[in-house]
Amino acid sequence: GALVYQYPRRTICKSGTSMRMECQAVGFQATSVAWYRQSPQKTFELIALSTVNSAIKYEQNFTQEKFPISHPNLSFSSMTVLNAYLEDRGLYLCGVRTGALYEQYFGPGTRLTVL
Amino acid sequence: GDQVEQSPSALSLHEGTDSALRCNFTTTMRSVQWFRQNSRGSLISLFYLASGTKENGRLKSAFDSKERRYSTLHIRDAQLEDSGTYFCAAPNQGGSAKLIFGEGTKLTVSS
Repeated sequence: GALVYQYPRRTICKSGTSMRMECQAVGFQATSVAWYRQSPQKTFELIALSTVNSAIKYEQNFTQEKFPISHPNLSFSSMTVLNAYLEDRGLYLCGVRTGALYEQYFGPGTRLTVL
Repeated sequence: GDQVEQSPSALSLHEGTDSALRCNFTTTMRSVQWFRQNSRGSLISLFYLASGTKENGRLKSAFDSKERRYSTLHIRDAQLEDSGTYFCAAPNQGGSAKLIFGEGTKLTVSS
């Protein structure tokens, strides 16, 4: 399967500060990158979807102002959590598609703790 | 909206036994993907099916090709390393890459 790396694996930030996380596809080009958050209760929420040649589309309850995403090329994406608060805690996963199929490969996630 | 329901929510198995996990959809789905999440949070893709069945070692998955509303994951001869949380997911009806996840089945295999 495809290899997807995420960095950092864990991060702790103070309430009100920001942190940036990265997603790297290795050995292939991603046709789309989806950023998800898995809550401490284990449910998944899609934050935004970034597709080649299209604008980044944010889901309801998530905004570009809070979670700005950069997708400069077909193998790299970064997302920043601005002004993080307790409700932003969780595991942030990036899922990558490589073609027309809906199959996604996920990175190991960035676990965010907010103090 | 589209929903994915998984059962059971938790499962305990002894080594060497067999079991099956189930995933039901509230509407017809194009495909299904099964994942195992380990204790560190890594989401490992097990199967992607648009129809039929796939097998990989002790794992086998099926996606009902007719109604496209449920999928199963069979575990044969369960081993300790099979422990983890299993999620099924399907793309939403809008045609985007958004996956709708079930709530997971937490599997514990003991000796």
